Amino acid sequence: SQQGEEDPQALSIQEGENATMNCSYKTSINNLQWYRQNSGRGLVHLILIRSNEREKHSGRLRVTLDTSKKSSSLLITASRAADTASYFCATGLGGSQGNLIFGKGTKLSVKP
Amino acid sequence: EADIYQTPRYLVIGTGKKITLECSQTMGHDKMYWYQQDPGMELHLIHYSYGVNSTEKGDLSSESTVSRIRTEHFPLTLESARPSHTSQYLCASSILFGTGGTEAFFGQGTRLTVV
Repeated sequence: SQQGEEDPQALSIQEGENATMNCSYKTSINNLQWYRQNSGRGLVHLILIRSNEREKHSGRLRVTLDTSKKSSSLLITASRAADTASYFCATGLGGSQGNLIFGKGTKLSVKP
Repeated sequence: EADIYQTPRYLVIGTGKKITLECSQTMGHDKMYWYQQDPGMELHLIHYSYGVNSTEKGDLSSESTVSRIRTEHFPLTLESARPSHTSQYLCASSILFGTGGTEAFFGQGTRLTVV
């Protein structure tokens, strides 16, 4: 069964604007990861945040994690047309047996 | 770019045919995965492996089978393809264990169409 649920399902913004995507999950986690998928391609790892972390930055990406609310957000600042893609959150339980469980994704469209 | 490769990228095949989707990685990762993804939808884990001679079924029941005879190779086989198998199949790999989680590296995917 899927654990993560992204919100919104689709987001359309203009270049230069910020894009915020949210992810909610149901059970306790060890870590939460965000991936990007260009149309019809494989996924690319963006950022991993551990359950004892609250915020993490990587370039124009900012991820927050609220374990009490079982939610995470991904902020892309100063978006570019090249950021157009689907973004997925994935939760991990850690350890050798934990597998990543993916949400349904947010489809981001950045218009030039 | 991740060092994980899937072939073919696209496959159109008739009902009843046997097919094998190839996946190879050169990163020495012990853990490998197969996910199934319909267009615009979420990924469903169908198979995974901890290493050589290890195969496990994922969360989504699948009629496909996998094998892991070599660390770098994790092929997926459908003995008799059906239109319901039409989907994109994504292979991924990761290290086996990492404190606080490990990232997965994905191949480009195989888009399978069964007619």
